[in-house]
Amino acid sequence: DTEVTQTPKHLVMGMTNKKSLKCEQHMGHRAMYWYKQKAKKPPELMFVYSYEKLSINESVPSRFSPECPNSSLLNLHLHALQPEDSALYLCASSPNDRVISGYTFGSGTRLTVV
Amino acid sequence: QKEVEQNSGPLSVPEGAIASLNCTYSDRGSQSFFWYRQYSGKSPELIMFIYSNGDKEDGRFTAQLNKASQYVSLLIRDSQPSDSATYLCAVRVGGSNYKLTFGKGTLLTVNP
Repeated sequence: DTEVTQTPKHLVMGMTNKKSLKCEQHMGHRAMYWYKQKAKKPPELMFVYSYEKLSINESVPSRFSPECPNSSLLNLHLHALQPEDSALYLCASSPNDRVISGYTFGSGTRLTVV
Repeated sequence: QKEVEQNSGPLSVPEGAIASLNCTYSDRGSQSFFWYRQYSGKSPELIMFIYSNGDKEDGRFTAQLNKASQYVSLLIRDSQPSDSATYLCAVRVGGSNYKLTFGKGTLLTVNP
């Protein structure tokens, strides 16, 4: 299994809703990432988990809350989002904490906040 | 700010030609360099990575790295219409184990 699986693929939520994005990998990778990508922009790092511990938070607003329940799963909990948070949310993983061979990205969740 | 710069394009080449994509980076401590391909509406897909000066070839793709000039490029030989996509250059900057910094990407169009 060489995939990173993200669910759902599309999500529309209101500004008062609470929702969660899910990411799963079974490659034995020990580092997992959340990136945000706006249209025609490069991906921007949000969070890094290494060995199931949060190691990097790129000053992300608290309405985004990451969680790593185990080495295969990564969640992103969303609450009270703004329309400007609409974007493609990408999960990625890498074998270890050195990113020597790059990330494997999931197919992404396209989020629309209304 | 540790930056990665790419010409946004669009770069247009005829089918069968060589497409040359370029990337410069500002941090001399950068250690690993990656090229990702991203089709419209899809997620980035890793094409190649390189961390030593010189050329690295994989099929129709060649990555070239020149650390003294802080320059990395991607050559696509025998370009096909299916190569039409945005190509993202990414750099693991010095002092950061995990973080890749991405350029804004170059849109490549291969015309039949």
